[in-house]
Amino acid sequence: AQKVTQAQTEISVVEKEDVTLDCVYETRDTTYYLFWYKQPPSGELVFLIRRNSFDEQNEISGRYSWNFQKSTSSFNFTITASQVVDSAVYFCALRALIQGAQKLVFGQGTRLTINP
Amino acid sequence: DARVTQTPRHKVTEMGQEVTMRCQPILGHNTVFWYRQTMMQGLELLAYFRNRAPLDDSGMPKDRFSAEMPDATLATLKIQPSEPRDSAVYFCASGSPAGRRSTGELFFGEGSRLTVL
Repeated sequence: AQKVTQAQTEISVVEKEDVTLDCVYETRDTTYYLFWYKQPPSGELVFLIRRNSFDEQNEISGRYSWNFQKSTSSFNFTITASQVVDSAVYFCALRALIQGAQKLVFGQGTRLTINP
Repeated sequence: DARVTQTPRHKVTEMGQEVTMRCQPILGHNTVFWYRQTMMQGLELLAYFRNRAPLDDSGMPKDRFSAEMPDATLATLKIQPSEPRDSAVYFCASGSPAGRRSTGELFFGEGSRLTVL
């Protein structure tokens, strides 16, 4: 079975602080993909990043960075120097690559509030 | 700019009425997913299709929900009869099968917000 756990339901920080959103996943598949999506107050789901199970390189994109560790089944997301516009619900998701079963399973989401 | 299009954006209906939500996937995408989002349950997968064939609809209440893809440019999700507990935001997403040559991410529509009174 596939499962994604985002233990942090809500996080509130002051602008310019760094914040890390945790994501732990479970899967028996050897090939899988991990994603982060952002859902701003407007409601749409915005794709942020994808990571393949065979590529453990961490990635940085501007103020965003992602730390993928297969050994701990974690795919954490860090926002550096947070801004009010980063306020949103963030979802971690897992997609496994097996025949006929490429479901995208979401975690429960972390509501991030950045206060001015 | 390619995007997934969902209609209607908002729907208010009375209990017992039929509701049909429509989705136009991104041209060239051969997988389509329907998700439902509620405060209590988060994002739940209802059904997904590949090459228009339903691969899994185990997340969908079979007695009142049905999902189809009449053609490659249209996916529908129908609720009949609707109940207040069906009130939620319904998202459609499309993508390509994940693989070494495909990025695998899903692109989501803006959602259809359903309120059943």
